[in-house]
Amino acid sequence: EPEVTQTPSHQVTQMGQEVILRCVPISNHLYFYWYRQILGQKVEFLVSFYNNEISEKSEIFDDQFSVERPDGSNFTLKIRSTKLEDSAMYFCASSNGQGQGTQYFGPGTRLLVL
Amino acid sequence: AQSVTQLGSHVSVSEGALVLLRCNYSSSVPPYLFWYVQYPNQGLQLLLKYTSAATLVKGINGFEAEFKKSETSFHLTKPSAHMSDAAEYFCAVSGLGSGNTGKLIFGQGTTLQVKP
Repeated sequence: EPEVTQTPSHQVTQMGQEVILRCVPISNHLYFYWYRQILGQKVEFLVSFYNNEISEKSEIFDDQFSVERPDGSNFTLKIRSTKLEDSAMYFCASSNGQGQGTQYFGPGTRLLVL
Repeated sequence: AQSVTQLGSHVSVSEGALVLLRCNYSSSVPPYLFWYVQYPNQGLQLLLKYTSAATLVKGINGFEAEFKKSETSFHLTKPSAHMSDAAEYFCAVSGLGSGNTGKLIFGQGTTLQVKP
């Protein structure tokens, strides 16, 4: 069964450093998403991506964040200068349809900023 | 604007007992509603979804949920809990309509504990 994969599973970084979180969505999916979950809090939407551009982003997704689909398989989230409050679990998801399309989630990357 | 409220951050049931996890939503457009389950150290897995067809939706692992527009609810039930059902459960809403990008708005989550 196809699945969404994410690397790395865990990342520890120093405040101010850049991190890139990688995702490989399901191959025939066209819609891609990043979410995050701060420990003990709800899962929050960050950004949606379709047709090689951002279709929607949340207030959290400020200028420090960027997304890219550098090739036909990877989908990346970059945080330019990490802050302590960026520590969270980051989930990638993909879907083959908007709205009612089921979003399939990856296992997540746990990011710890020291 | 859309929002989801899950009543009860922790629910504890005995094995074999009824499971009821509550979810209420707010949406200015007809909603799509989802229940996801998260097992420890894993991603989110879809249990079931409502997309404006039948109001009673059956999902995996014996779970089902009923969409009640008048009550703006989408509660998750299972007649008989199993130890393997212990996990975190998330209700989520997505909206129909132009400009809908499919983003999911999640509730706070409910941790289900199943006692032997």
